[in-house]
Amino acid sequence: DTGVSQNPRHKITKRGQNVTFRCDPISEHNRLYWYRQTLGQGPEFLTYFQNEAQLEKSRLLSDRFSAERPKGSFSTLEIQRTEQGDSAMYLCASAGRGDRDVSYEQYFGPGTRLTVT
Amino acid sequence: ILNVEQSPQSLHVQEGDSTNFTCSFPSSNFYALHWYRWETAKSPEALFVMTLNGDEKKKGRISATLNTKEGYSYLYIKGSQPEDSATYLCAHPTRSSGTYKYIFGTGTRLKVLA
Repeated sequence: DTGVSQNPRHKITKRGQNVTFRCDPISEHNRLYWYRQTLGQGPEFLTYFQNEAQLEKSRLLSDRFSAERPKGSFSTLEIQRTEQGDSAMYLCASAGRGDRDVSYEQYFGPGTRLTVT
Repeated sequence: ILNVEQSPQSLHVQEGDSTNFTCSFPSSNFYALHWYRWETAKSPEALFVMTLNGDEKKKGRISATLNTKEGYSYLYIKGSQPEDSATYLCAHPTRSSGTYKYIFGTGTRLKVLA
C-alpha cells in the first residue's frame, strides 16, 4: 500500500496522559499536514511541514502539542497532559511538489481517533 | 478570519436524483479550491482541484464549477447512487507567513437512499 498511513487508528487514554501519533506520508511527498476534526466540523489545520522544516503552526494549538518530522520522512504528533477537549480525529495528509503548489491535491491518511476519558 | 462555508449541511436524496452543493470562500487572494469526498471509515479523497475562474471539471457523474470573482464553487452529482453517500468537503488555501495553509468548510453530508 503506497498511500498515507497513520498509527494507531484508535487511542483511548486517560486525562493527563501523553499520547503520540505517527504518520507515514507517501514517500515522494515533501509536504505534510496535520489536521484535527471534531464532530460536525471540517478538518482544522494544526501544522505543516515542508521536508523536515515545520513552517506553520496553528495559533489554536497550545504548548501541549508538538510535532516533528525528522529527516523529512514520517511525522509524529504528541499531545502532553491530554484533556477531554482533545478528543477528536487527527488526520495527516501529504502532498507533492513545492510550497507554492496549491494546485496539487492532498492525500489523506485514515486518521487516528483519540478519546480522552 | 477567512471563512469557508458550505451548504447545505446535510442532504438526503433518492437514488437517481441529481443534486448540488455550494462552497463559498473569500474572493480576494484566490489561489485554488479543492473538493474532497470523505466516506465513513475511509480517508478523505480528492475529487477536484480548481484554479481558474470559470473552471469546470468532471469525473464520471460528478462535476464542479468555479467562480473566483464572487467566491463560490458548485459541486453537482448527476443520478445519485447509494455509493455517493459521503461528506463532501471543500478547502481553500490561504497564505500566511509566506506559506500556505488550508481552510476547510464544515462539509455537506449526503445520504442517498436506495
